[in-house]
Amino acid sequence: SAVISQKPSRDICQRGTSLTIQCQVDSQVTMMFWYRQQPGQSLTLIATANQGSEATYESGFVIDKFPISRPNLTFSTLTVSNMSPEDSSIYLCSSREPGPYGYTFGSGTRLTVV
Amino acid sequence: LAKTTQPISMDSYEGQEVNITCSHNNIATNDYITWYQQFPSQGPRFIIQGYKTKVTNEVASLFIPADRKSSTLSLPRVSLSDTAVYYCLVGDNPGANNLFFGTGTRLTVIP
Repeated sequence: SAVISQKPSRDICQRGTSLTIQCQVDSQVTMMFWYRQQPGQSLTLIATANQGSEATYESGFVIDKFPISRPNLTFSTLTVSNMSPEDSSIYLCSSREPGPYGYTFGSGTRLTVV
Repeated sequence: LAKTTQPISMDSYEGQEVNITCSHNNIATNDYITWYQQFPSQGPRFIIQGYKTKVTNEVASLFIPADRKSSTLSLPRVSLSDTAVYYCLVGDNPGANNLFFGTGTRLTVIP
């Protein structure tokens, strides 16, 4: 199955600033996904990112707050904009590939906004 | 999307078999059942996927009754390293575009 490198692994940011999280996949994948996970909670899907088209956002998430780029089939970024303490969370990217192995996840970015 | 219900937490002693059951009463005909494992500070990891009856791999077994309204993940002879959160998902099939996670089951293996 694919391997995803996600960075940064963690960051502490000032409120009002923005952070861009990067995910690199070691193979070409059509679909990538971004999730948010509050500590001790389950994962919530933010958006789906396909190469060559705009990301599709889930209810409660908007492009102005979480702009996503997908410049090629191996890379995607998620920006958390104008951060507030409520954005403190773990952000994970994921890719889907054909076959029985389902989805592969990055190791996550633990974001703390102060 | 079919909603899933699973126990919030379970404890087990080392060496025992652990069975985690997931209910998915509204599963659709083309839905598959997939289980993921998540350790602290890591992303979820695929464990096993099935459509009906029984599936077994080197890590676990998945039992799915004929009505497919539930499924049971079976972990043989658990060790301390199996302490993790286990998520049951329905809908991860070739036509699905994304995953929606339920609450998961936090398994704690006790020495």
